[in-house]
Amino acid sequence: GAVVSQHPSRVICKSGTSVKIECRSLDFQATTMFWYRQFPKQSLMLMATSNEGSKATYEQGVEKDKFLINHASLTLSTLTVTSAHPEDSSFYICSARPNLGQGSYNEQFFGPGTRLTVL
Amino acid sequence: AQSVTQPDIHITVSEGASLELRCNYSYGATPYLFWYVQSPGQGLQLLLKYFSGDTLVQGIKGFEAEFKRSQSSFNLRKPSVHWSDAAEYFCALSGFQKLVFGTGTRLLVSP
Repeated sequence: GAVVSQHPSRVICKSGTSVKIECRSLDFQATTMFWYRQFPKQSLMLMATSNEGSKATYEQGVEKDKFLINHASLTLSTLTVTSAHPEDSSFYICSARPNLGQGSYNEQFFGPGTRLTVL
Repeated sequence: AQSVTQPDIHITVSEGASLELRCNYSYGATPYLFWYVQSPGQGLQLLLKYFSGDTLVQGIKGFEAEFKRSQSSFNLRKPSVHWSDAAEYFCALSGFQKLVFGTGTRLLVSP
């Protein structure tokens, strides 16, 4: 149980285009999901906390108009990188925290990640 | 402020030898602590977690970790390393809402 999927696993796009990444909790409901960014050989950097039915909370320094987050259901959150540029190339990982009663408090389950390359 | 420190950027261990990866944390209350493993180009897999109770925690793949409050540590151990254990290992602390990650330790396994 507690599986999180991400789609696509890899995407290559031209500079200036927008890219949408989906994060799904397959066998549990998650009011809260998280989006992370990971640069090569570095740790995960939290970008934003996504809450179902409300606006996402962005970490300091993360442009909310650049990285649009939508959490329309208890099993799906999407991250859209708008007007992507080469510096947005990175590994994006999502995680989902099960609602109370499903799993341990504050535990997060991670998706397999999405490799974005902007040419 | 909460933080996690993994002092070793990379460690090389011979196959069959024992392993210990260090993790120190800073947090004002009882921490929830995790160890994750990441293979290249992959997401994170949970190895084990500590919430409360027994300070020696058993995880998957033969890993264990010991929570030591007096030392603010949560070191990961394995008695005999396999070549397939080569990966990046992250220690993490759960504060309010968020996970805070250490910088990671890359484990290399030599024949």
